[in-house]
Amino acid sequence: TQLLEQSPQFLSIQEGENLTVYCNSSSVFSSLQWYRQEPGEGPVLLVTVVTGGEVKKLKRLTFQFGDARKDSSLHITAAQTGDTGLYLCAGARAGGTSYGKLTFGQGTILTVHP
Amino acid sequence: EAGVAQSPRYKIIEKRQSVAFWCNPISGHATLYWYQQILGQGPKLLIQFQNNGVVDDSQLPKDRFSAERLKGVDSTLKIQPAKLEDSAVYLCASSLIGTKAAGANVLTFGAGSRLTVL
Repeated sequence: TQLLEQSPQFLSIQEGENLTVYCNSSSVFSSLQWYRQEPGEGPVLLVTVVTGGEVKKLKRLTFQFGDARKDSSLHITAAQTGDTGLYLCAGARAGGTSYGKLTFGQGTILTVHP
Repeated sequence: EAGVAQSPRYKIIEKRQSVAFWCNPISGHATLYWYQQILGQGPKLLIQFQNNGVVDDSQLPKDRFSAERLKGVDSTLKIQPAKLEDSAVYLCASSLIGTKAAGANVLTFGAGSRLTVL
């Protein structure tokens, strides 16, 4: 069972376009993280959101955590070729032995064409 | 700060052979994770250590996979015997396990070990 569903799975756009990636779940998470992974490398953390309704901005990237802490979105404005990569959302449950355990979505492969 | 070190970066073996991967986490990180990432999918947690104790190995196929972190620092993941479906990237990550007040646990990943089983 996939706890975190990401959509779309593939995204191919031109440089300068905007895009949004979604991460949805029926489960509540204490926090949600977004990672970016390039070929041959491990995932690198972009942001962590912990409060329902929270919005964080990182230059051209805007991250939102849903009010119910079940979903999140990543919006990129004016995409650049350097944004190309695999974007992963990961949710963390709170409490007990599962604390700190991250469950990843299946990822969104973004390709930005010049 | 040195990152998470993994070796080997690439390994090709035939099915039914064995393989071992090594991971050295960031100094001082108490928690170490092994993830399996099949091509086109997100990472799946295999095992989580807190110091040298196992916190979660519920998704580790224990009939063929084993992992240890004897001194609470570096770790080894072994597969014996390997199957075709074990072809994947094996990612090691480490973290300072935070308090609940911290709100979140930040993982630092290594570059991974890519396994191809023929």
